[in-house]
Amino acid sequence: GAVVSQHPSWVICKSGTSVKIECRSLDFQATTMFWYRQFPKQSLMLMATSNEGSKATYEQGVEKDKFLINHASLTLSTLTVTSAHPEDSSFYICSAGTSFSYNEQFFGPGTRLTVL
Amino acid sequence: AQTVTQSQPEMSVQEAETVTLSCTYDTSESNYYLFWYKQPPSRQMILVIRQEAYKQQNATENRFSVNFQKAAKSFSLKISDSQLGDTAMYFCAFMRPDMRFGAGTRLTVKP
Repeated sequence: GAVVSQHPSWVICKSGTSVKIECRSLDFQATTMFWYRQFPKQSLMLMATSNEGSKATYEQGVEKDKFLINHASLTLSTLTVTSAHPEDSSFYICSAGTSFSYNEQFFGPGTRLTVL
Repeated sequence: AQTVTQSQPEMSVQEAETVTLSCTYDTSESNYYLFWYKQPPSRQMILVIRQEAYKQQNATENRFSVNFQKAAKSFSLKISDSQLGDTAMYFCAFMRPDMRFGAGTRLTVKP
């Protein structure tokens, strides 16, 4: 149980285009979802926290107009990278928290984004 | 602000031996959760072990155990009988409820 999927697993896009990444909780309801970014050989950095039906809360330094987060249902959150640039190339990981396991997060497998 | 520090960027250990990974953190909260995650080359985050701050007993999970020193704000991970499959990045994390991660320790288990 407590499986989180991400789609796509990898994506390559041209500079200036937008890319959408989906994060789904497959067998539970995710009251809160988190989006992280991981650059090569670095740690995970929290980008934003989203609660179902509410606006996402962004970490300082994260452009909310560039990284659009939608948490429209208890099983789906999306991250859209708008007008992507090469510096946005990174590994994006989502995680989900639940009401039944408040002391744990369940991580998706991640999405590798490459912007040419 | 909560910070997590891992001071060992890389470590190596011989197969079947024991290795300890260090982690310190800073918080003003009295109850919280600490985690060790493993990230293999696939980059999937795998929970290794979890510790609740109000529990004085150190958590153990098979070959993995922690030395939790709340007053010193230290949370080290001991891996016993190291196996080749333990080779990975290991992240210490503080949950608040979002996760704050340390910089990571790259562990290599040598045959």
